[in-house]
Amino acid sequence: KQEVTQIPAALSVPEGENLVLNCSFTDSAIYNLQWFRQDPGKGLTSLLLIQSSQREQTSGRLNASLDKSSGRSTLYIAASQPGDSATYLCAVRLISGGYNKLIFGAGTRLAVHP
Amino acid sequence: GAVVSQHPSWVICKSGTSVKIECRSLDFQATTMFWYRQFPKQSLMLMATSNEGSKATYEQGVEKDKFLINHASLTLSTLTVTSAHPEDSSFYICSAGGHYNSPLHFGNGTRLTVT
Repeated sequence: KQEVTQIPAALSVPEGENLVLNCSFTDSAIYNLQWFRQDPGKGLTSLLLIQSSQREQTSGRLNASLDKSSGRSTLYIAASQPGDSATYLCAVRLISGGYNKLIFGAGTRLAVHP
Repeated sequence: GAVVSQHPSWVICKSGTSVKIECRSLDFQATTMFWYRQFPKQSLMLMATSNEGSKATYEQGVEKDKFLINHASLTLSTLTVTSAHPEDSSFYICSAGGHYNSPLHFGNGTRLTVT
């Protein structure tokens, strides 16, 4: 059974810091991995999608890496801003035969204070 | 970018009634839609995977007769909570995707409160 773990569970940093969020998964047979952002009481916003054959993806101040063999992904946020405060979720896509799922980690709650 | 519309955004209903939640992909064809449930300050729990034109695949522990899922077209999936009880109160979120290589996009969720 695939399990996705995110560390840390919560993080509070001053504005301007660079930070790293970690995601690990137990079964390396993933199709892809996606990072999301969720604001309180809202839906999810897709940040980055990394295919299983890729090592990293970048979008603005965000960079996500994937080490499929070791079952790990990191989301790097450069020069953090108060507007980055949210819960960050990673999810792995599993596809095999008739099997099609997107499994989430518990998330990292990020607070960036001025 | 891809947009997924979920309706209603919130609903209050009485115990014993049924509630239907709609999930629409507005600018792409969604071959797969996922339905999730989220409790306060917890992550998303996958309830079922819905493929257009076929029966939904439910996760273990999710009652298929209570949470009816229909994916009749490539742009619409519905989740009906039948005979709702207070313990069904939760935040329900749908996700839609096209090709497996494409990112999945989420609706804004539906806050269900059963009184």
